[in-house]
Amino acid sequence: DSGVTQTPKHLITATGQRVTLRCSPRSGDLSVYWYQQSLDQGLQFLIQYYNGEERAKGNILERFSAQQFPDLHSELNLSSLELGDSALYFCASSARTGGAGYGYTFGSGTRLTVV
Amino acid sequence: DAKTTQPNSMESNEEEPVHLPCNHSTISGTDYIHWYRQLPSQGPEYVIHGLTSNVNNRMASLAIAEDRKSSTLILHRATLRDAAVYYCILRDPRPGNQFYFGTGTSLTVIP
Repeated sequence: DSGVTQTPKHLITATGQRVTLRCSPRSGDLSVYWYQQSLDQGLQFLIQYYNGEERAKGNILERFSAQQFPDLHSELNLSSLELGDSALYFCASSARTGGAGYGYTFGSGTRLTVV
Repeated sequence: DAKTTQPNSMESNEEEPVHLPCNHSTISGTDYIHWYRQLPSQGPEYVIHGLTSNVNNRMASLAIAEDRKSSTLILHRATLRDAAVYYCILRDPRPGNQFYFGTGTSLTVIP
């Protein structure tokens, strides 16, 4: 157990629908990162939050959004789902947003299947 | 994001040392070299990182070339549990810079 909790572990939904993925960071970590891993794209950085504020954006589609709440958990919202959104979605956390040598702790992911 | 080049796959016999290479010829002076691995059906996990000097921890050793244009992750005795995809990543530690994962090296450990 890495200390980063992601729910649900598996999600199957239809095209056009909206889903919410949840992440609880490791205790004490203020930064949360979301990554998408599909077979043909590898691990792609989506977005970062630090202490409730958006800090960096990567390859995140406009149909996707995220937020980090006062208790530091984060949610990734995916809407108007397409077949190509089927992927593993990972959340990671870190104590801060920068600094020499710091690393991320990843959760075990949510596997999203769009049918 | 600075680029790294790794072999797509490697094989090792169980209980033998494994040397996983990574080339990063465009590394900048502020980039740290990080290694993560991803076991099947799991999220990536931290292995080791370094800047200029070789590093050792309980999981592995990191050997960094003097010119920093390449590095090698060393697993001293491969076990079946070490079968994973290993990612070599360069990261500037200043805030706002992320970990960008490439395709990594898929390590197969043969019993």
